[in-house]
Amino acid sequence: EAGVAQSPRYKIIEKRQSVAFWCNPISGHATLYWYQQILGQGPKLLIQFQNNGVVDDSQLPKDRFSAERLKGVDSTLKIQPAKLEDSAVYLCASSRDYNTGELFFGEGSRLTVL
Amino acid sequence: AQSVAQPEDQVNVAEGNPLTVKCTYSVSGNPYLFWYVQYPNRGLQFLLKYITGDNLVKGSYGFEAEFNKSQTSFHLKKPSALVSDSALYFCAACDSWGKLQFGAGTQVVVTP
Repeated sequence: EAGVAQSPRYKIIEKRQSVAFWCNPISGHATLYWYQQILGQGPKLLIQFQNNGVVDDSQLPKDRFSAERLKGVDSTLKIQPAKLEDSAVYLCASSRDYNTGELFFGEGSRLTVL
Repeated sequence: AQSVAQPEDQVNVAEGNPLTVKCTYSVSGNPYLFWYVQYPNRGLQFLLKYITGDNLVKGSYGFEAEFNKSQTSFHLKKPSALVSDSALYFCAACDSWGKLQFGAGTQVVVTP
């Protein structure tokens, strides 16, 4: 079974530029999550999708972050414009359904904002 | 609102000795609790979970966790640590919508 795929693995941009991250979850997984992990901290949930609908985006900074999951499969997370404090690893995860708690994580996309 | 606390930033243990990583939680209703592990430059991996039933939960790689309702704790344990267990460990609590709240993490260092 293929795991959660994310790209790019690394990205360096200057502040005020934009960036997009892509995630392809495990086939058949209905729930998709984007987490932000700042160095030294635990992952923080940004947004949770159930199929192609948003379940929770309460911690997503909507003035600069956006995410979509078209057709309920892969997903894109965009940051525009980026700030220095957005430097982090962006983790995508998927699960069979929303209430299992057993998430399968990708290797993450490391963003550095200069 | 739910929260998870991991009081230790780092735990050091010699190989072969028992390993304990502490976690306390604050959850309304019945807690769904989890442990995940993160190896360097890798994504998080699920280790084990507690939903209901036996207070001692067994998971991957010889790890187990003990749920204690009165102390609101869910400590991770391994009877005999290996050098390869050196990693970052996260405790997490889940609400009914599957929103997973992670603790800040505990770095485990196992020395030969």
